[in-house]
Amino acid sequence: QTVVTQEPSLTVSPGGTVTLTCASSTGAVTSGFYPSWFQQKPGQAPRPLIYATTNKHSWTPARFSGSLLGGKAALTLSGVQPEDEADYFCLVHYGGNWVFGGGTALTVL
Amino acid sequence: EVHLVESGGGLVKPGGSLRLSCTASGFTFSDYPMNWVRRAPGRGLECVSSINHDSSRIYYADSVKGRFTIFRDDAKSSLFLQMNNLRADDTAVYYCARDINYNVDHWGQGTLVTVSS
Repeated sequence: QTVVTQEPSLTVSPGGTVTLTCASSTGAVTSGFYPSWFQQKPGQAPRPLIYATTNKHSWTPARFSGSLLGGKAALTLSGVQPEDEADYFCLVHYGGNWVFGGGTALTVL
Repeated sequence: EVHLVESGGGLVKPGGSLRLSCTASGFTFSDYPMNWVRRAPGRGLECVSSINHDSSRIYYADSVKGRFTIFRDDAKSSLFLQMNNLRADDTAVYYCARDINYNVDHWGQGTLVTVSS
């Protein structure tokens, strides 16, 4: 059973920069796993932010960026806004099957 | 504009059944793989089941295998999830989501399933 691990929680100050990571129990996350990132706020559906490692949707704010970092997928928020407080989930594709990370609760304080 | 609208959730007793529906609009439904994803209270997202565009490839999470059935009706642009023998740990908000080429780009607003006696 593949496990995808994220930081359970992170805190960042408004205007700051924070990087969330996504690690796989099977080894390094590479672009071949097409990692994606989603933001979810209470009572709302997940909102896609990043797909295939680095690609943004048309609605993704410029301050969000995706990358690979030290064998993990990473989501970096630069110039954090109060409205960025949310849960963030990564998604890794394994041979057509999806595995979500456990999520990171981001607090903007 | 792409729209996905789930329905069919509700309160059901353990061992009971529900059928969830997801009605799609704004795109050619038959071109897209579709998925059911849930989020249980206090937990993360879980992909419950997936079906490719022509129903030739279907995936179930181990947690629902043998109890849930996914199917689609392209003529009605609809996705379904038949859930039998429901358990308390199936309580969650269930979302349908479309994807293509590893891009999960649209989600419905979700429907709440509560399994409780």
